[in-house]
Amino acid sequence: AQSVTQLGSHVSVSEGALVLLRCNYSSSVPPYLFWYVQYPNQGLQLLLKYTSAATLVKGINGFEAEFKKSETSFHLTKPSAHMSDAAEYFCAVSRANAGGTSYGKLTFGQGTILTVHP
Amino acid sequence: GAVVSQHPSRVICKSGTSVKIECRSLDFQATTMFWYRQFPKQSLMLMATSNEGSKATYEQGVEKDKFLINHASLTLSTLTVTSAHPEDSSFYICSARQGPYNEKLFFGSGTQLSVL
Repeated sequence: AQSVTQLGSHVSVSEGALVLLRCNYSSSVPPYLFWYVQYPNQGLQLLLKYTSAATLVKGINGFEAEFKKSETSFHLTKPSAHMSDAAEYFCAVSRANAGGTSYGKLTFGQGTILTVHP
Repeated sequence: GAVVSQHPSRVICKSGTSVKIECRSLDFQATTMFWYRQFPKQSLMLMATSNEGSKATYEQGVEKDKFLINHASLTLSTLTVTSAHPEDSSFYICSARQGPYNEKLFFGSGTQLSVL
């Protein structure tokens, strides 16, 4: 069984400040982990994914996330927030197959709404 | 990137009526489509998995006779909420997958259903 917990349903930062969105997972098998972003009136877009290669994963728009097995965490960070980063962010986990791709059902966290203040 | 169109974006209906939501993959063929439901402040919950030309697979606790899913072509899946009641009010999101792996999974923008 798999589960995802996102700590904090709302995060508010000032423009230029560090963004940190927390995600902890539970998985009985090696996980593949994803971060998605949803802008208002748009579908979820893939920000980045961890697929058992490098533990520090870089995504689009300056975001990155680090897989820490010992802490079962996959927190999302960005050094300097921009107004355009305001959106809802979802962490998700799925299973991995031997071929190095993600398959099966995605299990999502509750989402974190990021607000960026001028 | 790949585009998934979901329509309508918002619907309000009376209790007892049926509502159909469409999910289209605009520039790729989707062998598999997924339907999710999201209640306020909760995570996306997978309702069912739909493969083109075959019956949908429903998650535990999801009534297949209430949430009818049709995936008649490689670019279109529909979810029909039959005899809707206020407790069915929720945000419904579809996703379409190009091939067997989640690296090619794309989401629609969602449908907010309000049942009066």
